[in-house]
Amino acid sequence: DAGVTQSPTHLIKTRGQQVTLRCSPKSGHDTVSWYQQALGQGPQFIFQYYEEEERQRGNFPDRFSGHQFPNYSSELNVNALLLGDSALYLCASSPPRRASGYTFGSGTRLTVV
Amino acid sequence: DQQVKQNSPSLSVQEGRISILNCDYTNSMFDYFLWYKKYPAEGPTFLISISSIKDKNEDGRFTVFLNKSAKHLSLHIVPSQPGDSAVYFCAASPQTGANNLFFGTGTRLTVIP
Repeated sequence: DAGVTQSPTHLIKTRGQQVTLRCSPKSGHDTVSWYQQALGQGPQFIFQYYEEEERQRGNFPDRFSGHQFPNYSSELNVNALLLGDSALYLCASSPPRRASGYTFGSGTRLTVV
Repeated sequence: DQQVKQNSPSLSVQEGRISILNCDYTNSMFDYFLWYKKYPAEGPTFLISISSIKDKNEDGRFTVFLNKSAKHLSLHIVPSQPGDSAVYFCAASPQTGANNLFFGTGTRLTVIP
């Protein structure tokens, strides 16, 4: 049973560019959440998608946007990259109700230079 | 504003002894608490959780204790094993029905053989 898969695993972008990260949820999960983990910090909630809509959003600027497809997979887009966007981006899938069902992917390491 | 705090960045314990990891929170709306374990280059893995209606939950070598009045929880690992060496994150979820998680900054546990 495949868990959460994320692609790519590593990425290097230049300041000002745009990036798209991808996530396929665990089988049977229909809710996808994205987290940003900066170096030395815990993961911070970016947003959550359910039924192809953004259900909840954390304290992140509009440069961060997302999408969920009918097969429940999801994309995270970041525009106008800043050096401070360098982080590990984690995708988690879950059943719709409780956080105990979260399964995290291994993440995408984004470096902005 | 960090709503979930892990004030000990690191902890070293001898194999076979008890490991105690601590976590404090500030938001009284949190009603569900979780511990995650993270190895390098992997996503966080769910370890154990506790609802605010309980003060203790046990799963094998892992026990989580919750003190609501002090807004404090702890994770006990007995006996500690070298394979337990990892970063441990405390996380909390609010009562709102949404299931986004608020994470602490993590504690790196090293179990010395």
